[in-house]
Amino acid sequence: GIQVEQSPPDLILQEGANSTLRCNFSDSVNNLQWFHQNPWGQLINLFYIPSGTKQNGRLSATTVATERYSLLYISSSQTTDSGVYFCAVQPSGGGADGLTFGKGTHLIIQP
Amino acid sequence: KAGVTQTPRYLIKTRGQQVTLSCSPISGHRSVSWYQQTPGQGLQFLFEYFSETQRNKGNFPGRFSGRQFSNSRSEMNVSTLELGDSALYLCASSEQTYEQYFGPGTRLTVT
Repeated sequence: GIQVEQSPPDLILQEGANSTLRCNFSDSVNNLQWFHQNPWGQLINLFYIPSGTKQNGRLSATTVATERYSLLYISSSQTTDSGVYFCAVQPSGGGADGLTFGKGTHLIIQP
Repeated sequence: KAGVTQTPRYLIKTRGQQVTLSCSPISGHRSVSWYQQTPGQGLQFLFEYFSETQRNKGNFPGRFSGRQFSNSRSEMNVSTLELGDSALYLCASSEQTYEQYFGPGTRLTVT
């Protein structure tokens, strides 16, 4: 099946810093989503971005489908941005296997 | 619209018992998918239902089953519980099998 690799696995930053999270995937996709998992376990939708660029406030994302990677940018980090960020994909051809998740990036923003 | 709801939120069961978890999708969404999250295996796809039919299935034993009702609500059942079934079970709904929205999860502990 499709492989998803996220980097870095852990990231510790000071409040106000910017960060870039990366997601590499091994096959063409028709769905790519970024999630933030809150401390209670719920996955919060950040972006649905199988291709192109989107922005939402301090967050933006870019997916280069032809090169099989996606980037999540967080600017002017706040302590509330802490948590685990997941990239999840579905391969092209019908979404047969549900979402395949990466192992996540654990982000800690220190005050 | 109300989000995806899952009940119960927490559950403690004994090895060998069975358990049923419930998920109500966002109004109008006909696809419901289930995922298991454990520290060791991460987030893994269990199965997907669409219009009361199981459309896709992940790589889990037959002890894991599910169903979907005519109102799109879904249940998943785990029989003969094992300690390794302790996990966060997440349900997601979508209009097609693309952008998925997750519920808060059911945290199952097997003792």
